[in-house]
Amino acid sequence: EDKVVQSPLSLVVHEGDTVTLNCSYEVTNFRSLLWYKQEKKAPTFLFMLTSSGIEKKSGRLSSILDKKELFSILNITATQTGDSAIYLCAVGGALWGAQKLVFGQGTRLTINP
Amino acid sequence: DTGVSQDPRHKITKRGQNVTFRCDPISEHNRLYWYRQTLGQGPEFLTYFQNEAQLEKSRLLSDRFSAERPKGSFSTLEIQRTEQGDSAMYLCASSPIGAGNQPQHFGDGTRLSIL
Repeated sequence: EDKVVQSPLSLVVHEGDTVTLNCSYEVTNFRSLLWYKQEKKAPTFLFMLTSSGIEKKSGRLSSILDKKELFSILNITATQTGDSAIYLCAVGGALWGAQKLVFGQGTRLTINP
Repeated sequence: DTGVSQDPRHKITKRGQNVTFRCDPISEHNRLYWYRQTLGQGPEFLTYFQNEAQLEKSRLLSDRFSAERPKGSFSTLEIQRTEQGDSAMYLCASSPIGAGNQPQHFGDGTRLSIL
Protein backbone atom coordinates (compact mmCIF):
# COMPACT_ATOMS: atom_id res chain seq x y z
CA GLU A 1 0.00 0.00 0.00
CA ASP A 2 1.26 3.48 -0.87
CA LYS A 3 2.57 5.36 2.16
CA VAL A 4 4.05 8.77 2.95
CA VAL A 5 5.55 9.47 6.39
CA GLN A 6 6.50 12.94 7.58
CA SER A 7 8.63 13.86 10.54
CA PRO A 8 8.53 15.48 12.92
CA LEU A 9 4.77 15.72 13.34
CA SER A 10 5.15 18.93 15.29
CA LEU A 11 7.95 21.47 15.62
CA VAL A 12 8.20 24.69 17.64
CA VAL A 13 11.09 27.08 16.99
CA HIS A 14 11.98 30.71 17.45
CA GLU A 15 11.83 33.29 14.71
CA GLY A 16 15.09 33.33 12.77
CA ASP A 17 15.83 29.63 13.26
CA THR A 18 16.34 27.24 10.34
CA VAL A 19 14.13 24.16 10.14
CA THR A 20 14.28 20.92 8.17
CA LEU A 21 11.15 18.90 7.54
CA ASN A 22 11.38 15.28 6.40
CA CYS A 23 9.27 13.15 4.11
CA SER A 24 9.82 9.48 3.26
CA TYR A 25 7.64 7.47 0.91
CA GLU A 26 6.75 4.13 -0.63
CA VAL A 27 4.65 4.59 -3.75
CA THR A 28 4.21 2.43 -6.82
CA ASN A 29 4.63 4.15 -10.18
CA PHE A 30 6.20 7.28 -8.67
CA ARG A 31 5.67 10.40 -10.75
CA SER A 32 6.64 13.30 -8.48
CA LEU A 33 6.82 14.59 -4.91
CA LEU A 34 5.04 17.77 -3.93
CA TRP A 35 5.16 20.05 -0.91
CA TYR A 36 2.17 22.11 0.18
CA LYS A 37 1.66 24.69 2.94
CA GLN A 38 -1.70 24.62 4.72
CA GLU A 39 -2.81 27.40 6.99
CA LYS A 40 -6.50 27.51 7.83
CA LYS A 41 -7.75 26.85 4.34
CA ALA A 42 -6.55 25.36 1.09
CA PRO A 43 -3.20 23.62 0.80
CA THR A 44 -1.02 26.02 -1.18
CA PHE A 45 1.43 24.54 -3.66
CA LEU A 46 5.12 25.11 -2.87
CA PHE A 47 7.28 22.73 -4.91
CA MET A 48 7.11 19.75 -7.21
CA LEU A 49 10.18 17.53 -7.51
CA THR A 50 10.71 14.82 -10.06
CA SER A 51 14.48 14.35 -10.29
CA SER A 52 16.95 13.32 -7.61
CA GLY A 53 19.54 15.75 -6.35
CA ILE A 54 18.16 18.89 -7.98
CA GLU A 55 17.34 21.54 -5.40
CA LYS A 56 14.28 23.66 -5.90
CA LYS A 57 14.38 27.06 -4.23
CA SER A 58 11.90 29.84 -3.60
CA GLY A 59 13.06 32.63 -1.34
CA ARG A 60 13.84 31.16 2.07
CA LEU A 61 12.36 27.76 1.17
CA SER A 62 14.20 24.99 -0.59
CA SER A 63 13.61 21.30 -1.19
CA ILE A 64 15.45 18.31 -2.58
CA LEU A 65 14.51 14.76 -3.52
CA ASP A 66 16.45 11.50 -3.17
CA LYS A 67 14.75 8.85 -5.31
CA LYS A 68 17.22 6.16 -4.33
CA GLU A 69 16.58 6.52 -0.60
CA LEU A 70 12.93 7.54 -1.16
CA PHE A 71 12.86 10.76 0.81
CA SER A 72 12.70 14.51 0.50
CA ILE A 73 13.48 17.42 2.80
CA LEU A 74 12.03 20.90 2.97
CA ASN A 75 14.27 23.58 4.45
CA ILE A 76 13.14 26.95 5.70
CA THR A 77 15.84 29.44 6.66
CA ALA A 78 15.44 32.61 8.75
CA THR A 79 11.94 31.54 9.78
CA GLN A 80 9.21 34.13 10.32
CA THR A 81 5.94 33.92 12.23
CA GLY A 82 4.14 33.82 8.89
CA ASP A 83 5.78 30.46 8.20
CA SER A 84 3.63 28.91 10.94
CA ALA A 85 1.46 26.34 9.18
CA ILE A 86 1.06 22.65 8.48
CA TYR A 87 3.45 21.48 5.78
CA LEU A 88 2.15 18.58 3.73
CA CYS A 89 4.23 16.24 1.63
CA ALA A 90 2.44 14.36 -1.15
CA VAL A 91 3.67 11.80 -3.63
CA GLY A 92 2.04 11.44 -7.02
CA GLY A 93 1.47 7.96 -8.44
CA ALA A 94 0.39 7.41 -12.01
CA LEU A 95 -3.34 7.88 -12.57
CA TRP A 96 -4.65 7.87 -16.12
CA GLY A 97 -1.96 10.32 -17.20
CA ALA A 98 -2.50 12.49 -14.13
CA GLN A 99 -1.30 11.98 -10.57
CA LYS A 100 -3.09 10.46 -7.60
CA LEU A 101 -1.63 12.22 -4.59
CA VAL A 102 -0.90 10.29 -1.41
CA PHE A 103 -0.34 12.69 1.48
CA GLY A 104 1.58 12.38 4.69
CA GLN A 105 0.10 13.46 8.02
CA GLY A 106 1.80 16.81 7.81
CA THR A 107 4.26 18.64 10.04
CA ARG A 108 2.75 21.36 12.21
CA LEU A 109 5.33 24.14 12.37
CA THR A 110 5.00 26.90 14.94
CA ILE A 111 7.31 29.90 14.84
CA ASN A 112 7.42 31.89 18.07
CA PRO A 113 8.48 35.55 17.96
CA ASP B 1 -7.05 34.28 -12.50
CA THR B 2 -9.53 32.86 -10.00
CA GLY B 3 -8.56 29.80 -8.06
CA VAL B 4 -10.57 26.69 -7.31
CA SER B 5 -13.90 27.66 -5.77
CA GLN B 6 -15.94 25.46 -3.43
CA ASP B 7 -19.43 25.96 -2.08
CA PRO B 8 -20.63 25.93 0.63
CA ARG B 9 -17.71 26.68 2.94
CA HIS B 10 -19.44 25.02 5.88
CA LYS B 11 -22.30 22.56 6.10
CA ILE B 12 -23.92 21.35 9.31
CA THR B 13 -26.55 18.67 8.99
CA LYS B 14 -28.24 15.93 10.94
CA ARG B 15 -27.26 12.32 10.57
CA GLY B 16 -29.22 10.65 7.79
CA GLN B 17 -29.63 13.74 5.63
CA ASN B 18 -28.25 14.11 2.12
CA VAL B 19 -25.72 16.82 1.30
CA THR B 20 -24.26 18.12 -1.96
CA PHE B 21 -21.09 20.13 -2.46
CA ARG B 22 -19.99 22.04 -5.53
CA CYS B 23 -16.52 22.66 -6.96
CA ASP B 24 -15.60 25.09 -9.73
CA PRO B 25 -12.08 24.36 -10.95
CA ILE B 26 -9.63 26.85 -12.40
CA SER B 27 -10.90 27.61 -15.89
CA GLU B 28 -9.38 25.42 -18.60
CA HIS B 29 -8.24 22.82 -16.06
CA ASN B 30 -9.41 19.54 -17.51
CA ARG B 31 -8.55 17.45 -14.47
CA LEU B 32 -10.55 17.61 -11.24
CA TYR B 33 -9.99 15.70 -8.01
CA TRP B 34 -11.86 15.29 -4.74
CA TYR B 35 -10.09 14.61 -1.45
CA ARG B 36 -11.25 14.26 2.14
CA GLN B 37 -9.26 15.55 5.11
CA THR B 38 -9.97 14.71 8.75
CA LEU B 39 -8.44 16.48 11.72
CA GLY B 40 -4.73 15.85 12.11
CA GLN B 41 -4.42 13.94 8.85
CA GLY B 42 -3.36 14.73 5.33
CA PRO B 43 -5.96 14.73 2.53
CA GLU B 44 -7.07 11.35 1.17
CA PHE B 45 -7.90 10.83 -2.48
CA LEU B 46 -11.56 10.14 -3.27
CA THR B 47 -12.09 10.45 -7.02
CA TYR B 48 -10.74 11.91 -10.27
CA PHE B 49 -12.30 13.35 -13.42
CA GLN B 50 -10.71 14.10 -16.75
CA ASN B 51 -13.19 16.37 -18.49
CA GLU B 52 -16.57 14.74 -17.79
CA ALA B 53 -15.25 11.20 -17.39
CA GLN B 54 -14.83 9.82 -13.87
CA LEU B 55 -11.70 7.71 -14.31
CA GLU B 56 -10.87 6.62 -10.77
CA LYS B 57 -12.70 6.10 -7.49
CA SER B 58 -11.08 5.25 -4.17
CA ARG B 59 -12.44 2.37 -2.14
CA LEU B 60 -13.02 5.07 0.50
CA LEU B 61 -15.92 6.21 -1.67
CA SER B 62 -18.79 4.05 -0.42
CA ASP B 63 -22.07 3.58 -2.27
CA ARG B 64 -23.47 6.59 -0.40
CA PHE B 65 -21.05 8.88 -2.21
CA SER B 66 -21.49 9.98 -5.80
CA ALA B 67 -19.64 12.56 -7.84
CA GLU B 68 -20.46 14.07 -11.21
CA ARG B 69 -18.95 16.50 -13.65
CA PRO B 70 -21.63 16.60 -16.33
CA LYS B 71 -20.22 19.21 -18.70
CA GLY B 72 -16.59 18.86 -17.85
CA SER B 73 -16.56 22.13 -15.91
CA PHE B 74 -17.91 22.22 -12.32
CA SER B 75 -18.31 19.08 -10.25
CA THR B 76 -20.66 18.01 -7.47
CA LEU B 77 -20.08 15.54 -4.67
CA GLU B 78 -23.18 14.12 -3.01
CA ILE B 79 -23.30 12.14 0.22
CA GLN B 80 -26.54 10.30 0.92
CA ARG B 81 -27.70 9.20 4.38
CA THR B 82 -24.85 10.97 6.11
CA GLU B 83 -23.11 9.30 9.06
CA GLN B 84 -21.02 10.71 11.92
CA GLY B 85 -17.87 9.41 10.24
CA ASP B 86 -18.52 11.60 7.20
CA SER B 87 -17.58 14.70 9.22
CA ALA B 88 -14.49 16.06 7.50
CA MET B 89 -13.16 18.75 5.19
CA TYR B 90 -13.91 17.94 1.55
CA LEU B 91 -11.29 19.43 -0.75
CA CYS B 92 -11.43 19.84 -4.49
CA ALA B 93 -8.36 20.32 -6.66
CA SER B 94 -7.74 20.86 -10.35
CA SER B 95 -4.84 20.65 -12.75
CA PRO B 96 -4.32 21.24 -16.46
CA ILE B 97 -3.46 18.61 -19.01
CA GLY B 98 0.08 19.31 -20.13
CA ALA B 99 3.42 17.83 -20.90
CA GLY B 100 4.91 16.22 -17.83
CA ASN B 101 3.45 16.27 -14.35
CA GLN B 102 1.24 19.15 -13.33
CA PRO B 103 0.70 20.27 -9.73
CA GLN B 104 -2.80 20.18 -8.32
CA HIS B 105 -4.27 23.43 -6.99
CA PHE B 106 -6.73 23.18 -4.13
CA GLY B 107 -9.86 25.06 -3.14
CA ASP B 108 -10.60 26.17 0.42
CA GLY B 109 -12.77 23.13 1.02
CA THR B 110 -16.23 22.44 2.42
CA ARG B 111 -16.24 21.58 6.10
CA LEU B 112 -19.00 19.08 6.85
CA SER B 113 -20.24 18.55 10.40
CA ILE B 114 -22.74 15.80 11.14
CA LEU B 115 -24.81 16.28 14.29
